[in-house]
Amino acid sequence: DTEVTQTPKHLVMGMTNKKSLKCEQHMGHRAMYWYKQKAKKPPELMFVYSYEKLSINESVPSRFSPECPNSSLLNLHLHALQPEDSALYLCASSQGVTGEVTQYFGPGTRLLVL
Amino acid sequence: QKEVEQNSGPLSVPEGAIASLNCTYSDRGSQSFFWYRQYSGKSPELIMFIYSNGDKEDGRFTAQLNKASQYVSLLIRDSQPSDSATYLCAVTAMEYGNKLVFGAGTILRVKS
Repeated sequence: DTEVTQTPKHLVMGMTNKKSLKCEQHMGHRAMYWYKQKAKKPPELMFVYSYEKLSINESVPSRFSPECPNSSLLNLHLHALQPEDSALYLCASSQGVTGEVTQYFGPGTRLLVL
Repeated sequence: QKEVEQNSGPLSVPEGAIASLNCTYSDRGSQSFFWYRQYSGKSPELIMFIYSNGDKEDGRFTAQLNKASQYVSLLIRDSQPSDSATYLCAVTAMEYGNKLVFGAGTILRVKS
């Protein structure tokens, strides 16, 4: 089973709202990732968690706040977003960040910021 | 020079033909190579991964890696209209902190 799940599938929020995206995997993977993808562009890495610790933050604005409550869950908390943050947000997981690094993606959350 | 380069396409092939998708990368230390398929509005789906020089086959798909030429390709035999999608080449390397670096993707159109 290589399933990564994400909720919600779609999200519309205003610029003053606070919302959270959720990601879950039950493959025993110890690395989890958040990506942002704009139309007709490849995924762009935002954050990497390895063994539940933030290991990479790609200079993402503080209005995006990641959280890894346990090895199976990854959240992305959103606050005071801008319309240009509208995109497909993808979660991925891999066994680790070294060795077996094959990443499996979830279905994504389509975010629209009004 | 971009780290991972792909021809954006679209690459059009007739149904039943072989589609050949190509990717070059700049870092000679690159270690792992991946092909993802992405349908419009959907998330990337892993098609193949390859770590060693040579060919790796899985069903209608063959990945080819040539580290000396810094080149990785994906062949799709007996192409079907359902193969029409964007194909993303991705590479990991110590230089990138083992992050997955994507090419811009090649749009493949299989015409019936």
